[in-house]
Amino acid sequence: DVKVTQSSRYLVKRTGEKVFLECVQDMDHENMFWYRQDPGLGLRLIYFSYDVKMKEKGDIPEGYSVSREKKERFSLILESASTNQTSMYLCASIRWAATDTQYFGPGTRLTVL
Amino acid sequence: GDSVTQMEGPVTLSEEAFLTINCTYTATGYPSLFWYVQYPGEGLQLLLKATKADDKGSNKGFEATYRKETTSFHLEKGSVQVSDSAVYFCALRGFNNAGNMLTFGGGTRLMVKP
Repeated sequence: DVKVTQSSRYLVKRTGEKVFLECVQDMDHENMFWYRQDPGLGLRLIYFSYDVKMKEKGDIPEGYSVSREKKERFSLILESASTNQTSMYLCASIRWAATDTQYFGPGTRLTVL
Repeated sequence: GDSVTQMEGPVTLSEEAFLTINCTYTATGYPSLFWYVQYPGEGLQLLLKATKADDKGSNKGFEATYRKETTSFHLEKGSVQVSDSAVYFCALRGFNNAGNMLTFGGGTRLMVKP
């Protein structure tokens, strides 16, 4: 089975801190995604990556950056966390051009105080 | 651009009741359609999918039929259980979307009471 893991299930940070969220997949997938999930808004795409060192902005990239130095790992970075970034963050991956669907990690619930 | 609209929750039902969660979409061409489920404290899991018009996806007693004429993909289950309590997301993948990006609806929380 495909496994997508995220570094933390729960995280509490203070305003202005730099935050790293890590995601690792074990199935050699090319495409990886970061979403945030908020009640009533569903999942919104922050960034995605087609390959190592490749990144593309999603619908809501402001305040975030990403890093993909290795194929299996995709990191989301909050350069200076703010309270409006309190949310559930979900990572997903899929093979390029697959007819299958995305596989999701368990999520990281981030609270910024 | 592509969009997905699903009924707002929460939906509260008694055990063994019939469930319908409405989902409609806007997209060019022929998208693939999905229902995902998120159980408390977990990530999203694929529940079912349909890739062309009139296809019916089914899994765990849930069904949804891809209706191109009404641009809908409503989720149904004949008899819900307490264990079905979760958040359900409708999603689409646009036609010829090699990047495999998904567009999600807002999610519908289902609560089933014993």
